[in-house]
This record gives sequence, C-alpha cells and structure tokens, in this order.
Amino acid sequence: AQSVTQLDSHVSVSEGTPVLLRCNYSSSYSPSLFWYVQHPNKGLQLLLKYTSAATLVKGINGFEAEFKKSETSFHLTKPSAHMSDAAEYFCVVSDRGFQKLVFGTGTRLLVSP
Amino acid sequence: GAVVSQHPSWVICKSGTSVKIECRSLDFQATTMFWYRQFPKQSLMLMATSNEGSKATYEQGVEKDKFLINHASLTLSTLTVTSAHPEDSSFYICSAKRETGTYEQYFGPGTRLTVT
Repeated sequence: AQSVTQLDSHVSVSEGTPVLLRCNYSSSYSPSLFWYVQHPNKGLQLLLKYTSAATLVKGINGFEAEFKKSETSFHLTKPSAHMSDAAEYFCVVSDRGFQKLVFGTGTRLLVSP
Repeated sequence: GAVVSQHPSWVICKSGTSVKIECRSLDFQATTMFWYRQFPKQSLMLMATSNEGSKATYEQGVEKDKFLINHASLTLSTLTVTSAHPEDSSFYICSAKRETGTYEQYFGPGTRLTVT
C-alpha cells in the first residue's frame, strides 16, 4: 500500500524567510507525488507534481519540490514566504492510474509579518 | 478553467434525516468524480469514485447504503447522506477529472455538514 507521512503538523515562518515542508513516502513502485494547498473556503489547488520525469519539480507561486528516491522524500520548499502562503498543505501519492489519491495528514503553514 | 462547485457550502440537518450534496464541473466534462471526507484537522479520505452512468466504487469501510452517490451526467455528481447521525458530521469534498488516465483532479470548495 502507498502512503505519505508529513513530518510536521505546523510550520511557522516569518515573511521573507524560506519555507520547508517535509514529506516522506512509501510505495512499492515508482510513485507519482503531488503537493496540494488548501486555503479556507477554497478548493484544494495543485501546487506541483512529480511523475517520474525531472526530480526537481517547479510549481506555482514559487514553490518547488525535490524527489529523492534514496531518502524516500518529496519535501516542498520556497525561498521566500509571503503572507498569502499561509494555508494547509498536503503531500499526496497516487496509484498508477491516477485514480486514487492518498493524502498525508497535512501541514499548516503560518506566516508572520 | 477547470472549476468545480459544490452546493450547499454548509448544511445543518437533524439526526435521522437525509441530506444531498451536489458537485458540478462548471467548465468541463468530468469522466470521473470523487468524494472525500475530511475530519477536523485531519487528512482527506477517499470515500468513493464514480463514473458517469455507472455505479460508484466505494472504499473499504464506507457504507454504500448510507452514502448514496449518483453520477447522472458528465457535469454533476450527488452525494446523499441517508439517515444522518451526528458522527456523519464532517467536511465533504468532491473532485473531478477531465479524462481517464490523467493525473489532475480539480477539487470543489467542500461542504460542511453538521448533524444535530
């Protein structure tokens, strides 16, 4: 069975400082991995995806993630946090047919001025 | 593009009654729609997958007779919570895919159900 583990339930940063949201995965085959963001009262939005192409994946709003097979990790980073980045972030793994998504428990990003 | 709406955004119902939640893809036809449940401060759990005109496929542990899913058209899926109980109170989220085999699911904003 596939799974993802988000290592931090909350991450607090100051505006303008780097963001690191950690995710480890478990999969019996080469996984497809995603990061989604959930803002209050809005639908989840896809930030970026890894589907066995380049290991460094660039997404929207300046976010990127690196797939590291040796570490079974897919951490999300951003060089400089904005206040608008405050939200819930989910690391997600998909089955081979992209039908079933398995969500991590989420990391709430808090950004202070 | 790729907007998914849900209606209502929140609903309160009494224990024992049924409530219907609609999920619509507004600007595309969805071959597949999904229903998730999210408990407070927890992750999303897939409840069921539905294809237009077919019976829904439910995840293990999800009661088919309690959570009725109807995918009547390529733009509309409904989730009916029958004989609701307080433990059914949750945040229900739907998503939709344009095509089979593609990766991206477009998510609705969710529906908050409170059963009193």
